[in-house]
Order: sequence, then structure tokens, then C-alpha cells
Amino acid sequence: QVQLQESGPGLVKPSQTLSLTCTVSGGSISSGGYYWSWIRQHPGKGLEWIGFIYYSGSTYYNPSLKSRVTISVDTSKNQFSLKLSSVTAADTAVFYCARVKPPAMDFDYWGQGTLVTVSS
Amino acid sequence: SYVLAQPPSESVAPGQTARITCGGKNIGSKSGHWYQQKPGQAPVLVVYDDSDRPSGIPERFSGSNSGNTATLTISRVEAGDEADYYCQVWDSSSDLVVFGGGTKLTVL
Repeated sequence: QVQLQESGPGLVKPSQTLSLTCTVSGGSISSGGYYWSWIRQHPGKGLEWIGFIYYSGSTYYNPSLKSRVTISVDTSKNQFSLKLSSVTAADTAVFYCARVKPPAMDFDYWGQGTLVTVSS
Repeated sequence: SYVLAQPPSESVAPGQTARITCGGKNIGSKSGHWYQQKPGQAPVLVVYDDSDRPSGIPERFSGSNSGNTATLTISRVEAGDEADYYCQVWDSSSDLVVFGGGTKLTVL
């Protein structure tokens, strides 16, 4: 059973960079066959896809966030990470990591989510 | 960019059938997926590839996709089905994951 767990600061100051890590257990990122994704959900709102990465490092990003987002992978630790730069209060959200199954790109396993608040 | 439209809310009595729609231009040419999200929890995939169910999802959950509308059908609705439901597709023409705005299902 694949499990994903988000970790990182729950509070980030405006203009700083939000950094989160997703640790995968029960499956190896380096085995390939799946993409690994970040999704966010603003309080009381719907789901917003941020981007995903393949074990090789190939990435796809939501154009609306692309200028501020970097997703990277560390196969030695079986982790992938998110960096979102120049954050504002509008970036306050619950962030989820998830596994993505190609070719139809459905999200079959999700982490529990972590709330990140942007505030001084 | 590609847009998916869902009704904000639907309500159904216990034991009845709930149908939640997801509208998108020629969505029938894409594979549609559905997620259930209960308050304070992560989304759970309930239907993928239009009509397939992941292991552990009850047969009461089914899906269809044709033309400009994908539909999630929940038969014999139970109180525990009360949740937000999101549709999702992969728009390969723009390499973009798209989620619908979500539908809040209320069990009366």
C-alpha cells in the first residue's frame, strides 16, 4: 500500500519561499511508471493542480503558477519536493502530494495534506 | 484553457440515486476521474477512466462519459456519501490537469 506524507513549515512569511517535502513509502519513485504531484486547496475552495514530476526529473507545471514553482525529486530518499517563491496571503492553503497514474493522469494515492499559512 | 463545470450542490434522500454532472467541451474524448472529499480529509479517487472503480470503492459508485458531459452516479445513497465531489481530466493538448469546481452532495 503506497503512502505519502507531506512535511514542512506550517507558517511562512510573505515574500519568502514555501518549501514542502513529500515522503513516499510502500513504493519506489525510481521504479517509474507514475508521476508525483502537488495539489493545493484554498480554505473552503476547490482543488488546484500545481504540477508533477517523473523520477527522471521531467516536470509539468500549472501555467498560472509556473513562474514561482519548482518541483524536484530525490530518488535516494524516495521523496519529492515543492518550492513556491514570493508567497503572499493568497497562497495560504492545504497542500497535498499525490501519485499520478499515466496515461489518463488520475490521482490514485494522496497524502493527508498540510496547511501552510502565509502571514507575518 | 480547458474548463470543467460542476453544479455547486446537489441533494438526495437516503436510498435514492444521486447524479453529479461535469461539463466540458468534448469531455467524452478524454478520460474522466472523480474524487470524494469529506471535511478535513484528503480526496479519495472513486472512479477513474470514466467508469472504473479502484479497489475498495463500493459498486454503488459508477461513472459515464459522453459528448460534453461526464456523470458520477451514486446508487442507494447513504448518509456517509455526504461529501464534496470533484471531476478531473488531463488536457493533453496543453499538458494541464483540470479539476471541476466541486459539487457538495447533501443527503437529506
